Amino acid sequence: AQSVSQHNHHVILSEAASLELGCNYSYGGTVNLFWYVQYPGQHLQLLLKYFSGDPLVKGIKGFEAEFIKSKFSFNLRKPSVQWSDTAEYFCAVNKGGGADGLTFGKGTHLIIQP
Amino acid sequence: GAVVSQHPSWVICKSGTSVKIECRSLDFQATTMFWYRQFPKQSLMLMATSNEGSKATYEQGVEKDKFLINHASLTLSTLTVTSAHPEDSSFYICSATAQVRGYTFGSGTRLTVV
Repeated sequence: AQSVSQHNHHVILSEAASLELGCNYSYGGTVNLFWYVQYPGQHLQLLLKYFSGDPLVKGIKGFEAEFIKSKFSFNLRKPSVQWSDTAEYFCAVNKGGGADGLTFGKGTHLIIQP
Repeated sequence: GAVVSQHPSWVICKSGTSVKIECRSLDFQATTMFWYRQFPKQSLMLMATSNEGSKATYEQGVEKDKFLINHASLTLSTLTVTSAHPEDSSFYICSATAQVRGYTFGSGTRLTVV
């Protein structure tokens, strides 16, 4: 079974700082990779996803993530964060080629200080 | 875009009673729906996968007799928590997919058993 590890449970940054949230997965086969954001009181929203092709994926709100197969990683980045980026961020994975449910990491609580 | 409606958004019930949670895909037909559970400050855990017209597939450790899932149509899946106990209190989230690669999440249901 696959698993997902998010290294940072809480991150506090100032506005305009650069962000990188780590995500590693364990699964030997082809995977689909996702990053979701959950704003307070709201449902999960997809930030970006990777299935195949260019390992550098660009998502909404200025986020991007890079799939590094050799490191089993899919880190999320944003060059300059805003106060409105305060939220919970989840990395998720499922087996590529299928329609399985997602395996989520434990999430990272990001707080942006004005 | 794809929208998934989950109802109710919160519910309080007495111990020993049953609670039904509905998940509807509003503008697409969902071939597969997923049910997740999220404990406070923890990640989403996949409980079960349901396909329209067939029995749900439960993840290891999830009691199928306690968490009854019905997927009667391509737009509706229900989760019934039977004989609820305080330890069943949690945040339940559904997700629907119409394609292999797209998942849309509901806004979740906060269940409190007293």
